[in-house]
Amino acid sequence: GAVVSQHPSWVICKSGTSVKIECRSLDFQATTMFWYRQFPKQSLMLMATSNEGSKATYEQGVEKDKFLINHASLTLSTLTVTSAHPEDSSFYICSARVGGAKNEQFFGPGTRLTVL
Amino acid sequence: RKEVEQDPGPFNVPEGATVAFNCTYSNSASQSFFWYRQDCRKEPKLLMSVYSSGNEDGRFTAQLNRASQYISLLIRDSKLSDSATYLCVPLTHGSGNTGKLIFGQGTTLQVKP
Repeated sequence: GAVVSQHPSWVICKSGTSVKIECRSLDFQATTMFWYRQFPKQSLMLMATSNEGSKATYEQGVEKDKFLINHASLTLSTLTVTSAHPEDSSFYICSARVGGAKNEQFFGPGTRLTVL
Repeated sequence: RKEVEQDPGPFNVPEGATVAFNCTYSNSASQSFFWYRQDCRKEPKLLMSVYSSGNEDGRFTAQLNRASQYISLLIRDSKLSDSATYLCVPLTHGSGNTGKLIFGQGTTLQVKP
């Protein structure tokens, strides 16, 4: 149980284009999902908390207009990187929180974005 | 002070060895802790959850010392497949029982034949 999928697993795009990444909880409902970014040899950095049916909560320094998050259902959250630039190239990982008191989070396999 | 501090390593150990990682955290309000392992270019995978003083699962034992604000992970009888980066992750509780995971850089373990 607690399987999270992400799509696509990798994407290469030209500078200025927008890229949408999907995160799905496959066998459970997730009212809360999280989006992280990881640069090489660095730790995961939380970008935003995605809440089903409401606006996402962004971490300090993360531009909400550049990283659009939509959590339209209990099993799907999307992250759109708008007008991507080479510095946005990174490993983007989502996680979904399993309900209840345990607060465990399970991660998707990640999306490797390369902006040329 | 960093929210999570771990010795980055790498820890190079032979197969069969016992190895321990320590982790200190700065937020005394953290109530739950998780150990994740992350393989190169992969997502973190939950290894163990710690809600009280510790937890044990097979070869893995986690111990929590709230007074000193550190948590340890002990791996017995190391296997080659244990080679990975181990992430100590405290959970910072927010409103409505939601919480944010705070990741450090982790400790890299390399188990040699």
